[in-house]
Amino acid sequence: SQTIHQWPATLVQPVGSPLSLECTVEGTSNPNLYWYRQAAGRGLQLLFYSVGIGQISSEVPQNLSASRPQDRQFILSSKKLLLSDSGFYLCAWKRSYEQYFGPGTRLTVT
Amino acid sequence: EDQVTQSPEALRLQEGESSSLNCSYTVSGLRGLFWYRQDPGKGPEFLFTLYSAGEEKEKERLKATLTKKESFLHITAPKPEDSATYLCAVQAGIQGAQKLVFGQGTRLTINP
Repeated sequence: SQTIHQWPATLVQPVGSPLSLECTVEGTSNPNLYWYRQAAGRGLQLLFYSVGIGQISSEVPQNLSASRPQDRQFILSSKKLLLSDSGFYLCAWKRSYEQYFGPGTRLTVT
Repeated sequence: EDQVTQSPEALRLQEGESSSLNCSYTVSGLRGLFWYRQDPGKGPEFLFTLYSAGEEKEKERLKATLTKKESFLHITAPKPEDSATYLCAVQAGIQGAQKLVFGQGTRLTINP
């Protein structure tokens, strides 16, 4: 069966510090992968998606970036965090037409 | 622009009191409509996919239906464990990318 992992689960970072969130998927090969952000009381906003290694599409201009160094690994990064980057970050993978989500990372920028 | 609107924002029911959640959408060429359940502090859990008007899907106390402009999530005789936020999403974009556009969600509370 397929499993998706995210870490860390929670993170508190000061403004201006770097960020690296990791997502890995087990039990499947070459999945489409997605990064979403969910701000408090709001819906999910698609940030990036990837259809293969090294292939990244950005949906929203911002100070975040994404990379896919391996088939089942998706990384979300920032060089300098802003207060507005706080939120719940979710990784998802696609099987057939459905997307399945990981447990999420709660990021608080102080 | 593809758009999804869910109503109501929040709904409180007594245990056993049936009701429906609404998801209205505007999208150019619907490829699929999806319902998810999200518990506090967790990732969304997939519930249903609907592809064409008239289609219905059921799972325990939940039934999802689809028309050309909206979808309903009917909950029959709910229990406290059905309390969660229910998210609706539509699939937009070119085939292959399969991007989802989400609504704001309906926060459902079932009182015992």
